[in-house]
Amino acid sequence: DGGITQSPKYLFRKEGQNVTLSCEQNLNHDAMYWYRQDPGQGLRLIYYSQIVNDFQKGDIAEGYSVSREKKESFPLTVTSAQKNPTAFYLCASSIEAGGHYTQYFGPGTRLTVL
Amino acid sequence: SQKIEQNSEALNIQEGKTATLTCNYTNYSPAYLQWYRQDPGRGPVFLLLIRENEKEKRKERLKVTFDTTLKQSLFHITASQPADSATYLCALDDRSNAGKSTFGDGTTLTVKP
Repeated sequence: DGGITQSPKYLFRKEGQNVTLSCEQNLNHDAMYWYRQDPGQGLRLIYYSQIVNDFQKGDIAEGYSVSREKKESFPLTVTSAQKNPTAFYLCASSIEAGGHYTQYFGPGTRLTVL
Repeated sequence: SQKIEQNSEALNIQEGKTATLTCNYTNYSPAYLQWYRQDPGRGPVFLLLIRENEKEKRKERLKVTFDTTLKQSLFHITASQPADSATYLCALDDRSNAGKSTFGDGTTLTVKP
């Protein structure tokens, strides 16, 4: 089955701890993205990567870090510097086709800081 | 500043009617615009893409229009069903930064039987 997976589905963390969210895709897509979604709101871009070993900050990168060592994987670390990390985190991937990029999303990870 | 606005936070309609959702944008120069569906607790799913040189696109009961003069896209669901109840997001890529989509906040549609 081709797709994009995120783990874990639910994650609890104590204040002051770093935590890493996993995102894997076997779609052979070049680009990968991380979004944050708060209740009743849209998606806000945290980081994106259009090629291995390269990534760019999105609109709300502060308090987050990423790596892209493999095409298939784009883990997101939520650091203790992120002031309000409780949210729903979505990973996506895309590939350029006909001049456009359509994104394919994972099932999401719901992070709760206790 | 760049902005995407999806009018109507929530839309309630009766089964069988046509639902119309709007997406307005400012200070973007998009080559295309996309619509996604998101169910509660799940990731968005792609529905339709419309290019700047296309006025209208259809897929089964879905229709999208794109007016680059008005800077607006309309998303229609005809013969709506309770299963169409979800949040619908529009997204666009600015020409200057293709591959970096910006999403609207979404419109939650509820279709009542």
